[in-house]
Amino acid sequence: GIQVEQSPPDLILQEGANSTLRCNFSDSVNNLQWFHQNPWGQLINLFYIPSGTKQNGRLSATTVATERYSLLYISSSQTTDSGVYFCAVEGGSEKLVFGKGTKLTVNP
Amino acid sequence: AAGVIQSPRHLIKEKRETATLKCYPIPRHDTVYWYQQGPGQDPQFLISFYEKMQSDKGSIPDRFSAQQFSDYHSELNMSSLELGDSALYFCASSSGTPVQYFGAGTRLSVL
Repeated sequence: GIQVEQSPPDLILQEGANSTLRCNFSDSVNNLQWFHQNPWGQLINLFYIPSGTKQNGRLSATTVATERYSLLYISSSQTTDSGVYFCAVEGGSEKLVFGKGTKLTVNP
Repeated sequence: AAGVIQSPRHLIKEKRETATLKCYPIPRHDTVYWYQQGPGQDPQFLISFYEKMQSDKGSIPDRFSAQQFSDYHSELNMSSLELGDSALYFCASSSGTPVQYFGAGTRLSVL
C-alpha cells in the first residue's frame, strides 16, 4: 500500500517563528489532506491539496504531485498552533492513509 | 455549517462488554468512514460505507461490525471489548469529492 512519511517528527518553536512541515508519499494520489489535531483530540481540516498551492491566513500548503511531496508552512506561529499535524493521502481506494504526524510545540 | 456529529463523546466500558458508537454525517453526504486512533498513534482506517453498502474494509477486528442506515447515519458496534480497544474513534463523511470531513471523535476507555 501507499506509504506516507512526515518530517520532522517533533518541532519546538518560540511564538512568532515560522516553520515548514514535510510530507512524502510513495505513489500518485487522488487526495491529500492536512489536519491539525488539537490537544483535545479533534482533527481539524486544514487543506485539501492533491496538487498546487493554497493559503489560509498564516497557513499555506504546496503539493508537488510529480515529485510526491507536500509542504505545510506555518508563519508567525502562536501557542494555539500547538498539536499534531497529520498529512493523509488517498491513493486508489477511498481510505485515507495517515503519516505518523509532526508534533508541534509553540512556546510563549 | 453542519458538521459530522458523533456520539457519545466519551465512553467507559469494562472488558468483555459491548459498545455502540454513532455517527451522523454532514447532510447530503452519502459516504461514511470509520477510523481508530490508538494513544500516540495515527488514525487507522476501519471501514467505509457508500449508499448504505460497505465499500471498503481495513484492519477491523471480527468483534467489530458496522452499518449505515437509510438516513445515512452509521453505527460501529464493538463486542467483547479488550483493553487494546481503548482509542479515539473518528467518523468522517464525504459526498462526490475525495475530501473527508471528520467528527470530533468518541474516546473509548476500556477498563
